[in-house]
Amino acid sequence: GAGVSQSPSNKVTEKGKDVELRCDPISGHTALYWYRQRLGQGLEFLIYFQGNSAPDKSGLPSDRFSAERTGESVSTLTIQRTQQEDSAVYLCASSLGGRAHTGELFFGEGSRLTVL
Amino acid sequence: LAKTTQPISMDSYEGQEVNITCSHNNIATNDYITWYQQFPSQGPRFIIQGYKTKVTNEVASLFIPADRKSSTLSLPRVSLSDTAVYYCLVNPVDSSYKLIFGSGTRLLVRP
Repeated sequence: GAGVSQSPSNKVTEKGKDVELRCDPISGHTALYWYRQRLGQGLEFLIYFQGNSAPDKSGLPSDRFSAERTGESVSTLTIQRTQQEDSAVYLCASSLGGRAHTGELFFGEGSRLTVL
Repeated sequence: LAKTTQPISMDSYEGQEVNITCSHNNIATNDYITWYQQFPSQGPRFIIQGYKTKVTNEVASLFIPADRKSSTLSLPRVSLSDTAVYYCLVNPVDSSYKLIFGSGTRLLVRP
């Protein structure tokens, strides 16, 4: 597709269950970012990938959070044993990476996670 | 990392010019200043980017003084549809980098 695609758009789960959120970046974009946005708050950086490597995982809130990227394309953010505090919109963005990076990120519509 | 400081919120009326100022006292020589706009239930959208002096596009203007310790996003003649959250970032270009969004400025445009 032409833009960043995220799925599911909405996910309701029970506390303690695992969830996987998927991001399909713009073709050719080597950099990929995950952010979390709680209701009424700003964007909280989670992790970014350059290619399939994650140079900076410092934003992952706990060891229940993990992310991977394969084929310099799709990325999956996994949250294990979800807690109610994990409820938020998870936003993915991609950009031209490396030396082509301009600072312009292209965001998806987000995955809204609700943990009951 | 250069930290940015913006007003939490601003109010305006349709047809007015809105100026949102961002402070970034620790900006590095290779940092650019980038502004994003976010509407409810959407991801942020790039508005404008600059390094120094003035940049203008079809949406906004960006004013950056010589010391680059602050920048001002100017929205001419705002409309109701400009109601959004505006984020200021400082970031290097030519290399992928962790991009930090602050809390942003909530702009409310009234009729």
